[in-house]
Amino acid sequence: DQQVKQNSPSLSVQEGRISILNCDYTNSMFDYFLWYKKYPAEGPTFLISISSIKDKNEDGRFTVFLNKSAKHLSLHIVPSQPGDSAVYFCAASEVAGNNRKLIWGLGTSLAVNP
Amino acid sequence: GAVVSQHPSWVICKSGTSVKIECRSLDFQATTMFWYRQFPKQSLMLMATSNEGSKATYEQGVEKDKFLINHASLTLSTLTVTSAHPEDSSFYICSAFPGLAGATTDTQYFGPGTRLTVL
Repeated sequence: DQQVKQNSPSLSVQEGRISILNCDYTNSMFDYFLWYKKYPAEGPTFLISISSIKDKNEDGRFTVFLNKSAKHLSLHIVPSQPGDSAVYFCAASEVAGNNRKLIWGLGTSLAVNP
Repeated sequence: GAVVSQHPSWVICKSGTSVKIECRSLDFQATTMFWYRQFPKQSLMLMATSNEGSKATYEQGVEKDKFLINHASLTLSTLTVTSAHPEDSSFYICSAFPGLAGATTDTQYFGPGTRLTVL
């Protein structure tokens, strides 16, 4: 049972336009959400995060929006650049015993075309 | 800051041998490290959570006797794949969490990954 869902496996956007990557979750106990960017054969790179008590967090060209009632978050990249082409993973954080662990979506492959 | 290294970056071994992968946090102390594996075109699968000085916590379905994890210091965790078989071929990634257990923020920093191919 996928607790974190990224329903679009791929997205193609023109350079300069906005990229919107979506993520849905089912567990209302998640209290922190993160977006990671990953290139092939590399480890994920942290991009941006948001606490469940907020509805928006912005960092440069990246903005994450959280709609708790809908259990939905989205990552906006504007303007999109060819270097943004990568796989983007949404992850949700939950307490697990004495630790925290991340639950990952399946990723969305973003292609930004020049 | 927050750099995590992994060694080796790729390894090819014969079936039945054991392979050790190291994960180091270079500029911070990591009380908790995580080991993931990723199959082609699939998401990251958490294998185990490693806490310094204590036994690792394995996820359901992960054989702890096959995937030995040691977190001997605050900057080093190792994953040993014992008696490797071709089905163990995968991309193994570690991450380190610089915060305290139970902290409300959870930004994990990832290593570059290790590509294991078992012949």
